Parts: sequence; structure tokens; C-alpha cells
Amino acid sequence: AIQLTQSPSSLSASVGDSVTITCRASQGISHSLAWFQQKPGKPPKLLIYDASTLESGVPSRFSGSGSGTDFTLTISSLQPEDFVTYYCQQFKSYPHGFGQGTKLEIK
Amino acid sequence: QVQLVQSGAEVKKPGSSVKVSCQASGGSFSRYYISWVRQAPGQGLEWMGEIMPILGSINYAQKFQGRVTMTADESTSTAYMELSSLRSEDTAVYYCAADSANWPSGSDYWGQGTLVAVSS
Repeated sequence: AIQLTQSPSSLSASVGDSVTITCRASQGISHSLAWFQQKPGKPPKLLIYDASTLESGVPSRFSGSGSGTDFTLTISSLQPEDFVTYYCQQFKSYPHGFGQGTKLEIK
Repeated sequence: QVQLVQSGAEVKKPGSSVKVSCQASGGSFSRYYISWVRQAPGQGLEWMGEIMPILGSINYAQKFQGRVTMTADESTSTAYMELSSLRSEDTAVYYCAADSANWPSGSDYWGQGTLVAVSS
């Protein structure tokens, strides 16, 4: 099974900052990666699919890039509601596993 | 707009089974990739498997092979996930999710989650 490793596991930043979260796959997955945001007590929300395509309705301060084994989610100009947890998920092959998550905290 | 509504919370004894339902409205249920994802308290997301009703295809995570059964009733636009031989480690919120793309690329619709608590 393909393993996804996110880094960092947690990250402190301030409102207005820009941050980057990394997701590394144990083998090449082309562009078959999605990013999700999860707020406490809520289901995940799709932000990015196919590594870099912004889901409809998601603010443009979210962007994704990468291919093969290395991917990034960048959030520019952080807003208070962005300080939650983010997950990557791969779709190259089954099982469609998730990364372990990155918790974004207010500094 | 697609809505997924899941069945209510369950409390189960170790060794028993649970069946969670997920009813879709507002979309083409049969053409969606319906996946099940669980989240233990304070933990990350765990993919359990996926069913695609119109293709009749099902894929389970190896971890759950032999214990999980995913089905779909196209007449009622309802997906089901049954997990057997429950143990305390199965205590989690279980989500159904629908991917409306032509191939799996990220579930754009999610149910509200169903808490399954396993306790003696």
C-alpha cells in the first residue's frame, strides 16, 4: 500500500501569514492527490483535487502543487477559520489512504 | 446539491456487528464512488473501502477484509457499511462520502458522521 507522510504534524502561524504543508508518497502517484480541511466535529471538506485543482467554492488563498511523490498545500494570508487540521489522500491505487494530518495552530 | 444523511449513533457490545446507512439525495447516486472513512477519537482519517453502485465494484482496505461489507441499494439511493466482530478499537465516527467525478479524485460530498461506540 502507498504510504503518505505529511509534514509537519503541527504548525504554528499568525493570521495573515502564509504556510506550506507537505505530503510525501512512498511511491509515485502522478497527480492523484487531494487535500482536505477538517474542522472539529465536522466531516472533512475537499479543498484541492488532482494535486492542484481548486474545488469549486474554495477560497483562492488555498493552492496545491506537486506530482510524483512530493506535494504541497499552501495557504496564503491565513484567516482565523483556517486554523484547523488538513489531510492529504492519494487515489493512484487502492487503498486510498490518508496522510496522518497537519494541525495548524494560532501562534 | 447532493446531501448524504447517515443513520444515528450506535452503542454495541464487543463481538457484535453494526450496520450504518447513508442515504443520498439530489444527485446521481448510482454513478458516485461511495467511500467509508472512520475517525477514532482524537485520531486521523482512516479509509475503509469504496463501492461504485453502477459498476458493482467494491474495494476494501486489507485491514478490514473479512469484517466489513459495503452494499448499495440503488432503488433507495442508500449505501450501507456493516462491520462485524466489533472490538473497542472500532469506536469511532464513521463517515460516508461521495465522489462525483468520473474516477476517484476526492470526495466532494460527506455525510454528517455516525458515532459507533463499542463497550461492554
